[in-house]
Amino acid sequence: AQKVTQAQTEISVVEKEDVTLDCVYETRDTTYYLFWYKQPPSGELVFLIRRNSFDEQNEISGRYSWNFQKSTSSFNFTITASQVVDSAVYFCALSEGLKGDEKLTFGTGTRLTIIP
Amino acid sequence: DTGVSQDPRHKITKRGQNVTFRCDPISEHNRLYWYRQTLGQGPEFLTYFQNEAQLEKSRLLSDRFSAERPKGSFSTLEIQRTEQGDSAMYLCASRGSTADTQYFGPGTRLTVL
Repeated sequence: AQKVTQAQTEISVVEKEDVTLDCVYETRDTTYYLFWYKQPPSGELVFLIRRNSFDEQNEISGRYSWNFQKSTSSFNFTITASQVVDSAVYFCALSEGLKGDEKLTFGTGTRLTIIP
Repeated sequence: DTGVSQDPRHKITKRGQNVTFRCDPISEHNRLYWYRQTLGQGPEFLTYFQNEAQLEKSRLLSDRFSAERPKGSFSTLEIQRTEQGDSAMYLCASRGSTADTQYFGPGTRLTVL
């Protein structure tokens, strides 16, 4: 069965600090997709990134970067030079299968608070 | 594209009443998903449709829950004889065949008194 674990329930950092959100996943499939979503106070889930199991290259998008390591079944998310607008709940999710269009299994989320 | 829309945004009902929620996906998206999110938890999968066909249902979806997508466009989720444990945010998402991921609507927050 697939499972996603986000061990950090809440994190608070001072603005401009870097912060890393951890995500560990379990799956029996060799083909799967990993995702990060952001849920701001408004409640709507915002898609951040998708990565498939065959692509272990790290990705950077502005202040955001993602580190995918199959050896440790982890897909961690780093925000560099954090800003108050980054305050939100962040979810890591997993989808099994070839196309990645099956159901998403989410972790319990990490609530990130950026202190001005 | 306009995003996924859900109606109503909030619903308060008394235990034992029936409720129905509507989801309008992004135009041309053939896949539509329903999730439920309780306080402090991540969304949990309920069911999904490809066009009008319901392809998978979670064990979370008891016989009091039914979902339809009759013409392969909008979808409805009905809960019969609501219970306090049904109080949650009900999220709808859609995905097209060329899209990267599922795109979520704003959700319907259900409170059962």
